[in-house]
Amino acid sequence: GAVVSQHPSRVICKSGTSVKIECRSLDFQATTMFWYRQFPKKSLMLMATSNEGSKATYEQGVEKDKFLINHASLTLSTLTVTSAHPEDSSFYICSAREGLAGGWGDTQYFGPGTRLTVL
Amino acid sequence: AQTVTQSQPEMSVQEAETVTLSCTYDTSENNYYLFWYKQPPSRQMILVIRQEAYKQQNATENRFSVNFQKAAKSFSLKISDSQLGDTAMYFCAFMKRGSGGGADGLTFGKGTHLIIQP
Repeated sequence: GAVVSQHPSRVICKSGTSVKIECRSLDFQATTMFWYRQFPKKSLMLMATSNEGSKATYEQGVEKDKFLINHASLTLSTLTVTSAHPEDSSFYICSAREGLAGGWGDTQYFGPGTRLTVL
Repeated sequence: AQTVTQSQPEMSVQEAETVTLSCTYDTSENNYYLFWYKQPPSRQMILVIRQEAYKQQNATENRFSVNFQKAAKSFSLKISDSQLGDTAMYFCAFMKRGSGGGADGLTFGKGTHLIIQP
């Protein structure tokens, strides 16, 4: 149980284009999903918190107009990198929190990640 | 804001040995969770163990156990009878209780690269 998928696993795009990454909870409903970014040999940095049916909450320093997040259902959140540039190249990982909204500290389950390369 | 510090960038031990990874954190929160996640070369994040701050008893999961010292803000991971498959990056992570009772995102340490030698 508690499986999270991400699609695509790898994407290469040209500078200036937009890329959409999907995060799905396969066997549970996720009221909250999180998006992280990981640079090579570095730790994960939280980018934003995505709550189903409401606007995402972005961490300080993350451009909300560049990284659009939509959490349209209890099993799907999407991250769109708009007008991507080479500095956006990174490993993007989502996680999903199993549990009822307002619940206490449930574990986050991670997707396998998406490697984005912007040429 | 909270911070998580892992002071050991890399550790190497022989198979079957016991190894302890250190983690300290800083927070003004009283209600929170602490986690250890493993990231093998596949880069899939795998939960190893978690600890609720309000519980005094240290969490254990088979060969994995923690030493949680709340006053000292220390949360070390002990791996007993280490196996080759334990080779991975290990991240210590903090999660506070968000407003309204919901969960916040995780704050990660920089990680420790653990190598198990045959």
